[in-house]
Amino acid sequence: DTEVTQTPKHLVMGMTNKKSLKCEQHMGHRAMYWYKQKAKKPPELMFVYSYEKLSINESVPSRFSPECPNSSLLNLHLHALQPEDSALYLCASSQEGFLEKLFFGSGTQLSVL
Amino acid sequence: LAKTTQPISMDSYEGQEVNITCSHNNIATNDYITWYQQFPSQGPRFIIQGYKTKVTNEVASLFIPADRKSSTLSLPRVSLSDTAVYYCLVALDTGRRALTFGSGTRLQVQP
Repeated sequence: DTEVTQTPKHLVMGMTNKKSLKCEQHMGHRAMYWYKQKAKKPPELMFVYSYEKLSINESVPSRFSPECPNSSLLNLHLHALQPEDSALYLCASSQEGFLEKLFFGSGTQLSVL
Repeated sequence: LAKTTQPISMDSYEGQEVNITCSHNNIATNDYITWYQQFPSQGPRFIIQGYKTKVTNEVASLFIPADRKSSTLSLPRVSLSDTAVYYCLVALDTGRRALTFGSGTRLQVQP
């Protein structure tokens, strides 16, 4: 199994809602990532977890809250988002470190109304 | 803050060889250069990775000069299905390790 699975594929939420994005991999990878991608732009790194511990937070606003319950799962909790947060949210994993091959999921297309 | 740069777009025809260059002046000494392909509404997909000189796999070649300040992805005999955005990814020597995608090159392959 070389897949990274993200759910849901699409999400529409209001600015007062609380929602969560989920990511799962069963490749035994110990590093997991959240990226945000706006239309026609490159993915931007948000968070990195290494061995279930948050190792990088790219100065992401606190309305985005990551969580890594175990080595296979990565969540992104969303609260009080703004319309400008609408984007494709991508999850990725790699075996151990930053410079290894990243496996990406297909993303969650998020729209904030 | 240092950043990578790539051509915004390229056009090609089926069967031609395509070369896409990425500039990364501040690449960290021990870090690798990785290229990804992305189709609309999908996550990026790994193509190739290298450190120096030349690397080749079943889909592409990667050329890296001695100073490592740039790299060139070479796609032999492209087909329509190679129409996509191509990104180079390096860890930049900014004082902390960070994964920064280049701006991406939109390749359009025509019949």
